[in-house]
Amino acid sequence: QSALTQPRSVSGSPGQSVTISCTGTSSDVGGYNYVSWYQQHPGKAPKLMIYDVNKRPSGVPDRFSGSKSGNTASLTISGLQAEDEADYYCCSYAGSYTLVFGGGTKLTVL
Amino acid sequence: QVQLVQSGAEVKKPGASVKVSCKASGYTFTSYAIHWVRQAPGQGLEWMGWIHTGNGNTKYSQRFQGRVTITRDTSASTAYMDLSSLGSEDTAVYYCAREFNCNYEYWGQGTLVTVSS
Repeated sequence: QSALTQPRSVSGSPGQSVTISCTGTSSDVGGYNYVSWYQQHPGKAPKLMIYDVNKRPSGVPDRFSGSKSGNTASLTISGLQAEDEADYYCCSYAGSYTLVFGGGTKLTVL
Repeated sequence: QVQLVQSGAEVKKPGASVKVSCKASGYTFTSYAIHWVRQAPGQGLEWMGWIHTGNGNTKYSQRFQGRVTITRDTSASTAYMDLSSLGSEDTAVYYCAREFNCNYEYWGQGTLVTVSS
């Protein structure tokens, strides 16, 4: 399986919105509604932020939202805060009981 | 509360094998699969494979097929990841994660494996 494609970096000022894309194929992102997003701060384990394309686990602020169109999923963070600065990874079911991650996106809050 | 506690850091020589453990607590071990994900220094997350903790069935990424073996001991609520024929490119933090519907809500703390001669 090939890694899903994410932009290497995005940035935004506090209070602004940013969107991170995650592009796959019809065999993964486009074929299933099993896309999740993870936030990872340096030296820490990843944290689940979005699952099943657009659902938020309890405790995750509603500033985080997810969507999907065709083979591309997106994570939008509105009302950016300093603590949102982190690496973000998408993950998709890829069929045959396998999963695949995106390459990761570094979010910088200016 | 749900916890996944992994074994400590390892230093291995090229060609050796490493076995990392992941002890689960706070839930019924056999109700959720355990997946293994690794992260090389400065790199992204890479899915390695998983084990159905109930029946022991496994599935591995093609990238690691033949080199990785995931097992579990239900009596100890522990999953294991064994990686053989280590090379420098296997230097990474290895994570276990509890999976439900392709989501990882709970992760271990990570185990650093360093491969160096």
